Parts: sequence; C-alpha cells; structure tokens
Amino acid sequence: SYELTQPPSVSVSPGQTASITCGGDKLGEKYACWYQQKPGQSPVMVMYQDTKRPSGIPERFSGSNSGNTATLTISGAQAMDEADYYCQAWYSTTGVFGGGTKLTVL
Amino acid sequence: QVQLQESGPGLVKPSETLSLTCTVSGDSISSDYWSWIRQPPGKGLEWIGYIFHSGTTNYNPSLKSRVIISVDTAKNQFSLNLNSVTATDTAVYYCARHEGLVTSGFDSWGQGTLVTVSS
Repeated sequence: SYELTQPPSVSVSPGQTASITCGGDKLGEKYACWYQQKPGQSPVMVMYQDTKRPSGIPERFSGSNSGNTATLTISGAQAMDEADYYCQAWYSTTGVFGGGTKLTVL
Repeated sequence: QVQLQESGPGLVKPSETLSLTCTVSGDSISSDYWSWIRQPPGKGLEWIGYIFHSGTTNYNPSLKSRVIISVDTAKNQFSLNLNSVTATDTAVYYCARHEGLVTSGFDSWGQGTLVTVSS
C-alpha cells in the first residue's frame, strides 16, 4: 500500500512562514494536492497540481513538489489559517491522503 | 456552483451494510469523477473509492472486498454500500468531486454525514 507522511503538528507565529511537508515514494513524479480542514467543517482544497491555487485561495498559500517531498507554504500566516492540513496524491488511480498536520498559529 | 449532499442512516448495526447516497446539484454527474471519503472521529481522511458516469470504479485496496459504489445518472446521484461493518467503520462520510484522475484533486465536498456502527 502507498503512504504519505506528514508531521503531526507545526507551529508558526502570526506573520511568519509555515511549511508543511508531505513525504511519499516518488511523490515528485505525481501531482500533489492540499486540503485545509477547520473543526466541524468539510475539507477545502487549497492547492492542486503541486503549485496551483483554486479560485478564492489567498496568494500567501504556495506549493512545491520534488523528489519524494511535497511542501505547502503559508507566507505571512494568519490566525484564520489555523487548521488541519492534508496532502493527497494518486498512486495508480488509488487516492492516498497523508495523516494530516495540525497548524497552530500563536 | 456544484453542491453535494450526503444522505442515509446515521446508525448501522455491526455486520450489516452501510448505505449512503450523494445527490449532486449544479453539475451533471455525467461529467467528472465522484468519490467517497471518510474520516473517523478525531482522525484523518481515508479515500474509499470513485466512480465515473460510465460505471467505471476503483476502490481503496483495504476496503475493496466490502465496497460497492454505483451511479444513477437519471437522478444525478451516486451511492456507497459498505458491507459487514464494524465499529471501526464509524466515521463522517463525505462525497466529493474530482474533474479527472491523477491530475485532479477533490474540488467540491459534501457537508459530510456521521455514521455510527453500534448495536
């Protein structure tokens, strides 16, 4: 089975840059997506095809993917960015999610 | 704007079959791919499987022996059946859309429905 590995938690001070990593076998050869989930809400896609932001997602969100690691970067993190973040990729048409990272902004 | 709405029983007995339906509005189910995803309480997301309007499906290998996803294009709905459930199948179940395979993420989600497996 395929696995994507994320750190359980990341902390960042308001206005600073947060980076959340996602590791997987040859992940750089696939497209990575990222989802933000706030308590009691459905996930929202914040990045797709490694680096593309859906309409309505702030420019402070950016992404990269190379080798075995995809990274979601939040530049100038705000209190509203505090949430769980999940990476996701397709391995042979099988969807795989990372375990999730809790981002704390304090 | 596409909207997805899950419906079905919130309580299922162990060993029975969990059945949910996702109703799609604002988009034709005859385009795009449609997936089921679940999230046990306090845990992460798990992809269950997808269906294309043609009936083509693919399932998570860990659930494949117990899952069937079907589509009803006339009603613009797709459904999930998960048999032989146990307490570990207790989760919020989401339906979601993705415009393609491999290149696309889940760009629209339902609100989710909590299904509890208990006698």
